[in-house]
Amino acid sequence: AQRVTQPEKLLSVFKGAPVELKCNYSYSGSPELFWYVQYSRQRLQLLLRHISRESIKGFTADLNKGETSFHLKKPFAQEEDSAMYYCALSSSNTGKLIFGQGTTLQVKP
Amino acid sequence: GAVVSQHPSWVICKSGTSVKIECRSLDFQATTMFWYRQFPKQSLMLMATSNEGSKATYEQGVEKDKFLINHASLTLSTLTVTSAHPEDSSFYICSATGTSGTDTQYFGPGTRLTVL
Repeated sequence: AQRVTQPEKLLSVFKGAPVELKCNYSYSGSPELFWYVQYSRQRLQLLLRHISRESIKGFTADLNKGETSFHLKKPFAQEEDSAMYYCALSSSNTGKLIFGQGTTLQVKP
Repeated sequence: GAVVSQHPSWVICKSGTSVKIECRSLDFQATTMFWYRQFPKQSLMLMATSNEGSKATYEQGVEKDKFLINHASLTLSTLTVTSAHPEDSSFYICSATGTSGTDTQYFGPGTRLTVL
């Protein structure tokens, strides 16, 4: 079964501290993985996707097929990073997204 | 670019009435639109996939007669919640993709439905 697991509901760190938001997936084929972010009172927006292998707002994520993980990392958290983060998996032939439960990142001053 | 709008942003209705929610792609043609439901403090659950000019594909457990989806043009999809009941109260979010259904999904701001 296709599944995305984000084990942490809430991650609270101080400004300047490193951040790692965990995401594990279960998928039988070749997955396409995404991180979406939802800032307070705003719509869901794409943060990054694994095929792009890019860094957005200082965030990076590496697909580890051996561990079936796609953890989101940032070396130095900023207060404006506080938001809800969703890891999502896309079926390659339908484009459907399966979302994890989401992790609230709280960056304290 | 790639803006998706939803209307209304919130709606309150009486039990037993029907409510229509619109999802529009403002600056691109959306061959595929997706409808999600989100309960408070929970994740998005896909309800259905809507392709322009064809019938929507519903996820398991979603009543197609309850949640009517129409994708009449490349820029508009509508979700009608028929005979709404309080348990239908939720946040409904649409997303749209471009020429290929596997493109990036762009999300609307969501519609808050409250059924009294």
